Amino acid sequence: QQQVKQSPQSLIVQKGGISIINCAYENTAFDYFPWYQQFPGKGPALLIAIRPDVSEKKEGRFTISFNKSAKQFSLHIMDSQPGDSATYFCAAYPTQGGSEKLVFGKGTKLTVNP
Amino acid sequence: DAGITQSPRHKVTETGTPVTLRCHQTENHRYMYWYRQDPGHGLRLIHYSYGVKDTDKGEVSDGYSVSRSKTEDFLLTLESATSSQTSVYFCAISWAGNTEAFFGQGTRLTVV
Repeated sequence: QQQVKQSPQSLIVQKGGISIINCAYENTAFDYFPWYQQFPGKGPALLIAIRPDVSEKKEGRFTISFNKSAKQFSLHIMDSQPGDSATYFCAAYPTQGGSEKLVFGKGTKLTVNP
Repeated sequence: DAGITQSPRHKVTETGTPVTLRCHQTENHRYMYWYRQDPGHGLRLIHYSYGVKDTDKGEVSDGYSVSRSKTEDFLLTLESATSSQTSVYFCAISWAGNTEAFFGQGTRLTVV
């Protein structure tokens, strides 16, 4: 079973701090790595995504770092704000066996204290 | 929510009854997906469709069937609901197999 392992399960950060969420994938080729943000009662929404031909992508306070050799990628939220409190999912599209199946990590519940 | 409507939004049903959830899109996206979300398990793919009448199983497809007779509609049927199928169900759409997926608001299903 293709998997994406996400850590930590939960994270508490003070306002202004840096939130870091990590994901690792197993021995399968992937070609698209999105991060989704989900607020309570809502569906997940794309936050930022990266393809394996780059090692880092930054959008505002959100940065994805990608390490292809280690099969790891991470989300960094700089200057974390209470409004960032949500559940974050990493995901990956596998290329082998069809690229149609988006595989998700189990999620990280982020709480940013004021 | 990117032109995706899930119905119903909430449903309570009894064990053993059939249940159908509907996902309707106005974006003309080729791919449609059904996921279930449970605490500690994240989002798990039930079934997906890559075109009209073209569907395939995901990782947790047992007890579920799907149909897609039109581009805009993707139906998920629980043939005989069980308590283990109590969950929040999300429909998602994407233009291609490796592009951004847009999610609906979800359907909270409770099987009693």
